[in-house]
Amino acid sequence: RKEVEQDPGPFNVPEGATVAFNCTYSNSASQSFFWYRQDCRKEPKLLMSVYSSGNEDGRFTAQLNRASQYISLLIRDSKLSDSATYLCVGYSSASKIIFGSGTRLSIRP
Amino acid sequence: GAGVSQSPRYKVAKRGQDVALRCDPISGHVSLFWYQQALGQGPEFLTYFQNEAQLDKSGLPSDRFFAERPEGSVSTLKIQRTQQEDSAVYLCASSRRSSGELFFGEGSRLTVL
Repeated sequence: RKEVEQDPGPFNVPEGATVAFNCTYSNSASQSFFWYRQDCRKEPKLLMSVYSSGNEDGRFTAQLNRASQYISLLIRDSKLSDSATYLCVGYSSASKIIFGSGTRLSIRP
Repeated sequence: GAGVSQSPRYKVAKRGQDVALRCDPISGHVSLFWYQQALGQGPEFLTYFQNEAQLDKSGLPSDRFFAERPEGSVSTLKIQRTQQEDSAVYLCASSRRSSGELFFGEGSRLTVL
C-alpha cells in the first residue's frame, strides 16, 4: 500500500462547478501536508498548505482529518485554468516527503 | 534565472550507457531532493541532501543509481548501465530549510532505448 493514496480521476467537470478530492495517508507520524499542482509536462508547484483547522485561499479550501488520516481539497467556482493534476504531499520527516500519484482534473467550458 | 536549473532537459541513452543529470538549486537552499516521475504517476522519492551530506538514499532503486552534492550546491545524479525501466523524468527540488516548500526544476527527461 502506498503511503499517500489519491483517486487518480480524471475528474471532468463543467466550468463553475465545485469539485473535491480526497487523499489518504497511512503513516500516522506524518506531520505536515500540502497540495501541489502540476500542469502537463511541467514541474509541480506548491498550491497550498493543509492545516488541522482547515485553511482557505480564494476559491481553494484544504482540510486535514488526523483521526481518519485523510486530507481534502475543495475548489469552488472552477475555472478552465484549474485543469491540472493535483498532488497530495505528506511530510513525515525532513527527508520523507511523499507524493501521491495525483488526481487529474479537467474543466470543460 | 533564480529558479532550480536542471540539465540536460532531454537525454536519449542506449541501454547499458551511463548518464549524468545535473541540478543547480536555488542559491542558499540547504535541502535538495531528487525524484523520479514515470508517466501518469506522482514523483517518487530517490534521495535527499542537507548541504553536502546525503542523509537519505532509501529511494534509490538499485546500486546503479548514485547521487552526490560535494560542495553543498550543485548535485549530480548518475545512473550506470541504464535499463529501459530507468526511462522517466528526473526532478530535482530544493528548499530553504527542511520541511519547507519545495521548488522544482523543469526536470530531465531520460529515454533509454
